[in-house]
Amino acid sequence: NAGVTQTPKFRILKIGQSMTLQCTQDMNHNYMYWYRQDPGMGLKLIYYSVGAGITDKGEVPNGYNVSRSTTEDFPLRLELAAPSQTSVYFCATETTGRGNTIYFGEGSWLTVV
Amino acid sequence: SQELEQSPQSLIVQEGKNLTINCTSSKTLYGLYWYKQKYGEGLIFLMMLQKGGEEKSHEKITAKLDEKKQQSSLHITASQPSHAGIYLCGAAGGTSYGKLTFGQGTILTVHP
Repeated sequence: NAGVTQTPKFRILKIGQSMTLQCTQDMNHNYMYWYRQDPGMGLKLIYYSVGAGITDKGEVPNGYNVSRSTTEDFPLRLELAAPSQTSVYFCATETTGRGNTIYFGEGSWLTVV
Repeated sequence: SQELEQSPQSLIVQEGKNLTINCTSSKTLYGLYWYKQKYGEGLIFLMMLQKGGEEKSHEKITAKLDEKKQQSSLHITASQPSHAGIYLCGAAGGTSYGKLTFGQGTILTVHP
């Protein structure tokens, strides 16, 4: 998990509230990803970015927004939180090219009540 | 879309026993990542395989990607309690490797 920092680690939100999950990396990686992991399941891709100013949807983007104004930061915003967004969120980075290690952050546990 | 199926879903072994976890893809694998996850923690990178027939080892863990590139196996030799956790396989996206499709995970318990 070296170099990928996620905050907060834990958060409880009320239905309808909004919040931003922060992801910062110090490895100068171009590619960054946001995943969610529901209990007993593998991870699913929410959004990704191939560089500053460029973002695209993954498999499960509804209810989320992202931005990438710098190489280092890739925040994930939840608008109008819903119980279905209760999950563990992981940010990941990858350097350009193939066959490289994909580094994951330590995760952010979010509960919507 | 690509789907990954891991088997078994859970595994309980006695310390010292060998074990194998399989990951089968519905499509050709261009790159296959293995991660370990402890409950409440992040993902720890184990290995990444790209070429058909490729085999990599790290300490007591060996991973293989079959020749037809639709299945990978993770083998642990002489298991220890420290090997316990959830093992996840992830298939790399064709254009961007980090667009991973994950299996559902295999829960490994190792009894001392």
